[in-house]
Amino acid sequence: SAVISQKPSRDICQRGTSLTIQCQVDSQVTMMFWYRQQPGQSLTLIATANQGSEATYESGFVIDKFPISRPNLTFSTLTVSNMSPEDSSIYLCSVEGGANEKLFFGSGTQLSVL
Amino acid sequence: AQKVTQAQTEISVVEKEDVTLDCVYETRDTTYYLFWYKQPPSGELVFLIRRNSFDEQNEISGRYSWNFQKSTSSFNFTITASQVVDSAVYFCALIPGYNFNKFYFGSGTKLNVKP
Repeated sequence: SAVISQKPSRDICQRGTSLTIQCQVDSQVTMMFWYRQQPGQSLTLIATANQGSEATYESGFVIDKFPISRPNLTFSTLTVSNMSPEDSSIYLCSVEGGANEKLFFGSGTQLSVL
Repeated sequence: AQKVTQAQTEISVVEKEDVTLDCVYETRDTTYYLFWYKQPPSGELVFLIRRNSFDEQNEISGRYSWNFQKSTSSFNFTITASQVVDSAVYFCALIPGYNFNKFYFGSGTKLNVKP
C-alpha cells in the first residue's frame, strides 16, 4: 500500500493570495491525482499529474488557477492561485496502487479563504 | 454517460441497528470497477472494497457486506450491528474501463450512528 503525506493539513488564507499544497508518496508512482471536495460535496478531479509531462486538467479547471508540479515519481505540488472564498474546499492528493488496484488518498488539506 | 447516484443524503440510526447504503451506477462500459470509501470526520478517505464488473459475488467482511447486482446496476453496502465509530460519510465510486484517470464518485451518504 502507498502512504501519502500531504501538507499543510489546513490553512486559512486571505483573498488574492496563493497556497501551495505538497504531496509526498512513500513509493514511486506513475500517476498522481488532485481532487477537490467542496463543503458537503463529493470529490471532483482537478487534474492528473504524470512525471515529466504537463498535468492534464479536467473540464472547469485551468493551469493558471491550479498550477501543478511533478518533479519526480514520489512528489507533487498543487498551487491554488489568486484565491477567493469559492476556493474554500478540501484538496486531496491520491495515487493508484496496491494489490487491489485502488486509489490511495492523502489526509487532505482543508483550505478556508477569507 | 457515467454516473454514480447515492440517493440517501443522510441516515441516522441507533447503535446496533443494521443499515444499508444504496449505490446505483450508470456506465456504457462492460468492464469497470466499483468502490466504496469511508470518510470519517478527520477527513481522510479510507478504502473499503473494490469490485470488478465480472465478479458479482457478494462479499462479507466482518460487519460489512456488499451486494453487487448488475441487473439493477446497484452496489449496496450494509453495516450490521452499527457502531458509533461507523459514523462517517460513505462514497460509492465507479471507474469505467479500468481507467483510473476517470474516477466517478457519488455524492456520498452521511451516516450518523447514535449511542
